[in-house]
Amino acid sequence: SQKIEQNSEALNIQEGKTATLTCNYTNYSPAYLQWYRQDPGRGPVFLLLIRENEKEKRKERLKVTFDTTLKQSLFHITASQPADSATYLCALEEDSNYQLIWGAGTKLIIKP
Amino acid sequence: EAGVTQFPSHSVIEKGQTVTLRCDPISGHDNLYWYRRVMGKEIKFLLHFVKESKQDESGMPNNRFLAERTGGTYSTLKVQPAELEDSGVYFCASSLLAGAEQFFGPGTRLTVL
Repeated sequence: SQKIEQNSEALNIQEGKTATLTCNYTNYSPAYLQWYRQDPGRGPVFLLLIRENEKEKRKERLKVTFDTTLKQSLFHITASQPADSATYLCALEEDSNYQLIWGAGTKLIIKP
Repeated sequence: EAGVTQFPSHSVIEKGQTVTLRCDPISGHDNLYWYRRVMGKEIKFLLHFVKESKQDESGMPNNRFLAERTGGTYSTLKVQPAELEDSGVYFCASSLLAGAEQFFGPGTRLTVL
């Protein structure tokens, strides 16, 4: 069966450390993968997009990797801050359509 | 520039009633998407408009759901008659190009009693 898995348990990280979130998928052939941030009561906010032929993408303190062999994407936040606390969602899109298929999200808590 | 707006923010209705949700995308965005998140589950795609045309409505759960985008601007999603399992948060998103980053509205929380 097809599925996208993100750590369901909250991730607690000390301020200043690097937070790493995982997104694994099964039986999909994504053309690209997107990461979004969601705060309580708000809609998801786009962070980064990485294509199937890209290994790594960076934006300021954010870094995404994409390994199509392992069927995994990793999302890193370096020098984490309490303001980075939120739920982070991964979503993939296959070539055949423009539907985003979502993981359930991982709650990240950055402790001061 | 105004973001994606949705109305209402919350709606509480009785089973069997009708509810209409509205989404105003970012001006100039031809692509408009509807998603739903049921409590405890992941966000699920419902449908995709390109201008006023339905590009993909494969995610619509059943024929009680009707989406329209007359004139290719704002969109409405009508649920008639509403059932208990329709409760959840309905998100609308828009994008300039299909497959590009999507900008989400704050969502409409629908509760069917």
